[in-house]
Amino acid sequence: EIVLTQSPATLSLSPGERATLSCRASQSVSSHLAWYQQKPGQAPRLLIYDASSRATGIPARFSGSGSGTEFTLTISSLEPEDFAVYYCQQRSNWPPTFGQGAKVEIK
Amino acid sequence: EEQLVQSGAEVKKPGESLRISCKGTGYRFSSNWIGWVRQMPGKGLELMGVIYPGDSDTRYSPSFQGQVTISADKSINTAYLQWNSLKASDTAMYYCVRLFYSPMLATTIYVFDVWGQGTMITVAS
Repeated sequence: EIVLTQSPATLSLSPGERATLSCRASQSVSSHLAWYQQKPGQAPRLLIYDASSRATGIPARFSGSGSGTEFTLTISSLEPEDFAVYYCQQRSNWPPTFGQGAKVEIK
Repeated sequence: EEQLVQSGAEVKKPGESLRISCKGTGYRFSSNWIGWVRQMPGKGLELMGVIYPGDSDTRYSPSFQGQVTISADKSINTAYLQWNSLKASDTAMYYCVRLFYSPMLATTIYVFDVWGQGTMITVAS
């Protein structure tokens, strides 16, 4: 089973700042990595799939990059609604697995 | 609007059985894989397994094989997650998800583009 490790666990930033979240895989997942956003009391929402493709309706301030074992989710300028927990997920090997989550909180 | 609507919260005792449901609306339910994801309190996400409602082809993650049963009834656009004997450790939020069909790859991939609202299961004596 592929293990995904996200860092940092918590990112404290102000609205308007740039957020950079990392996800490292225990073995190569090619470009088969997705990112989700989860707000308190809500289901997760798909943001990015296959490392860099934005899902339908996702604002352009969200971008993904990386391949192999190192991936990044960037939020170019944080909006108030972006403070949430973010999960990465690989689909390269069965079973698909998620990272432990990374929280972006208001500083 | 494409939606997955789940059944309501449940409170059960250890050893009891349970089946929760997930109804798809606004899209062709029988042609899209459905999965179940567990989120234990304050924890991350785990895929339990997936089913293709069109022919009930089912795959389980190793950690959940033999622990739960996933099924579907395409005639009523509904998928199910079932336990025969609940444990306290089954206390969690359970989400049904739709697997994403990638037009670029012309295939379904293990990415989850539609999520149900979640069903909270509490198992306590």
